[in-house]
Amino acid sequence: KAGVTQTPRYLIKTRGQQVTLSCSPISGHRSVSWYQQTPGQGLQFLFEYFSETQRNKGNFPGRFSGRQFSNSRSEMNVSTLELGDSALYLCASSEGTSNTGELFFGEGSRLTVL
Amino acid sequence: AQSVTQPDIHITVSEGASLELRCNYSYGATPYLFWYVQSPGQGLQLLLKYFSGDTLVQGIKGFEAEFKRSQSSFNLRKPSVHWSDAAEYFCAVESTSASKIIFGSGTRLSIRP
Repeated sequence: KAGVTQTPRYLIKTRGQQVTLSCSPISGHRSVSWYQQTPGQGLQFLFEYFSETQRNKGNFPGRFSGRQFSNSRSEMNVSTLELGDSALYLCASSEGTSNTGELFFGEGSRLTVL
Repeated sequence: AQSVTQPDIHITVSEGASLELRCNYSYGATPYLFWYVQSPGQGLQLLLKYFSGDTLVQGIKGFEAEFKRSQSSFNLRKPSVHWSDAAEYFCAVESTSASKIIFGSGTRLSIRP
């Protein structure tokens, strides 16, 4: 089974721009979660989608949004980029049908905002 | 609210020595607990998980963890570390909201040759 695939792996943007990150989950997984990882804040939960619906949301501003498609692939978008948005964005998939599901992580998309 | 504390930011141990990484959690009920490992430039990989039952759980790569309810702890152990164990280790707890896993701040493990 192929793992979780995130694209792009690296990208550089400037302040004020927007960015879209993509995540393809493991085949059969219906839940996709997004995390932001920074040296100072660690792993912060952004949101989780299950069957095209946002099921959970972290404490991030509205500039951070996401969606999930019918094939379970997910995208997250960050608008009006700020320097502090520079981070590793990790996507994780799971079956999503129980409270005890293991998360399978992709390798992340490293965003640098200049 | 659920939370996870990893009190050690960075630990260095000699190759072949034993290892214990500390994790304390705050949770109102029986928690679902996890340990994940992140190698440089990689995503996170699950080492082991505790849901219920035996409080000593075995994981991959020779790791084990013990759940102690009285101490609200879930410490990770390995009897003899290898250089390839150098990585960052995250303790995590599943929140009462389904599919929201809360991570600790991580412990970076370095191995001394």
